[in-house]
Amino acid sequence: GAVVSQHPSWVICKSGTSVKIECRSLDFQATTMFWYRQFPKQSLMLMATSNEGSKATYEQGVEKDKFLINHASLTLSTLTVTSAHPEDSSFYICSATIPEDREVRTQYFGPGTRLLVL
Amino acid sequence: GQNIDQPTEMTATEGAIVQINCTYQTSGFNGLFWYQQHAGEAPTFLSYNVLDGLEEKGRFSSFLSRSKGYSYLLLKELQMKDSASYLCAVLDSNYQLIWGAGTKLIIKP
Repeated sequence: GAVVSQHPSWVICKSGTSVKIECRSLDFQATTMFWYRQFPKQSLMLMATSNEGSKATYEQGVEKDKFLINHASLTLSTLTVTSAHPEDSSFYICSATIPEDREVRTQYFGPGTRLLVL
Repeated sequence: GQNIDQPTEMTATEGAIVQINCTYQTSGFNGLFWYQQHAGEAPTFLSYNVLDGLEEKGRFSSFLSRSKGYSYLLLKELQMKDSASYLCAVLDSNYQLIWGAGTKLIIKP
């Protein structure tokens, strides 16, 4: 149980284009999903917390107009990197918690999406 | 501020035992997680501790001392596939997960 998928796993795009990354909970309904970014040899950086049916909560320093998050259903959250630039090249990972797990709140991670902006 | 400390890198020998320490200072405590992350992959859940003591799960064990703000992950009978980064993370009073920078474990034959 608690399987999270991400699509696509790899994206190569030109500078200025927008890229959409999907995160799905496959065998449970995730009211809360998280989006992380990880640069090579660095730790996970939380970008935003996404709650189904409401606006995402962004971490300090993360531009909400650049990183659009939509959590329209209980099994799908999307991250759109708008007007991507080479400095946005990174490993983007989503995670989700099981709603019934209110005390422990273990985060289950998707496999990640590697974005390369040329 | 909130802070989690763990060694940057450790080296161990195949078949041996290694202990990865984690100390934390957070606003409140609702549990401590250990995750494993292989290079180029996403983290996978290893363990969760909220009460003091040792939790054993196969070759991996995790220990917690809340009074000392301290945890360790113990890996026994090391295998080459255990080469990975090990992330310590604490759930604070607001149920926000605070992440350590991770410990890169290198296993040598």
